[in-house]
Amino acid sequence: AQRVTQPEKLLSVFKGAPVELKCNYSYSGSPELFWYVQYSRQRLQLLLRHISRESIKGFTADLNKGETSFHLKKPFAQEEDSAMYYCALSAPRGGGADGLTFGKGTHLIIQP
Amino acid sequence: GAGVSQSPSNKVTEKGKDVELRCDPISGHTALYWYRQSLGQGLEFLIYFQGNSAPDKSGLPSDRFSAERTGGSVSTLTIQRTQQEDSAVYLCASNKRGKGGETQYFGPGTRLLVL
Repeated sequence: AQRVTQPEKLLSVFKGAPVELKCNYSYSGSPELFWYVQYSRQRLQLLLRHISRESIKGFTADLNKGETSFHLKKPFAQEEDSAMYYCALSAPRGGGADGLTFGKGTHLIIQP
Repeated sequence: GAGVSQSPSNKVTEKGKDVELRCDPISGHTALYWYRQSLGQGLEFLIYFQGNSAPDKSGLPSDRFSAERTGGSVSTLTIQRTQQEDSAVYLCASNKRGKGGETQYFGPGTRLLVL
């Protein structure tokens, strides 16, 4: 069975400092990995996905298959980055379903 | 355009009662997902629909939980004989094809409190 681990429940950094939110996964096949974000009083939304190899709002994430990691990084944090961040893995389940397996989330707080 | 909508926004019920939660996916999305977000467990996958079929029901936590989807659109999640541990936010998501790598679009959730 697949599993996603986010070791930090809470991460607090100062504005302008670098940010790294850790994510490790276990899955026997080739995973599809995502970062979803939930800002205060907003719905859960996609931040980025590894297959797109894109940078969104200054965030990047590189899939490291050797370390089974998909850490989220941003060189200079901004106050509007404060939110709950979830790492998620998409893998086929019985019947071909692709429901997401989520980590427990990291609450990122950017201090002014 | 309209996103995924869910109703009710909040539901308070007494232990032992049945509840129905509704999800309206984005028009044209064939795949629909239900998740549960609770303090202790984080976000858990419950069930997935491709059209009106649910190929995998293994994520449902007990036989008190059931879900259906009609017309390839609206879905209802029913919890019978609710228990206090069912208290959580129930999220619905949809996407076009339900394939790996595809973004899921989430609704605002239904916050369920079982007293």
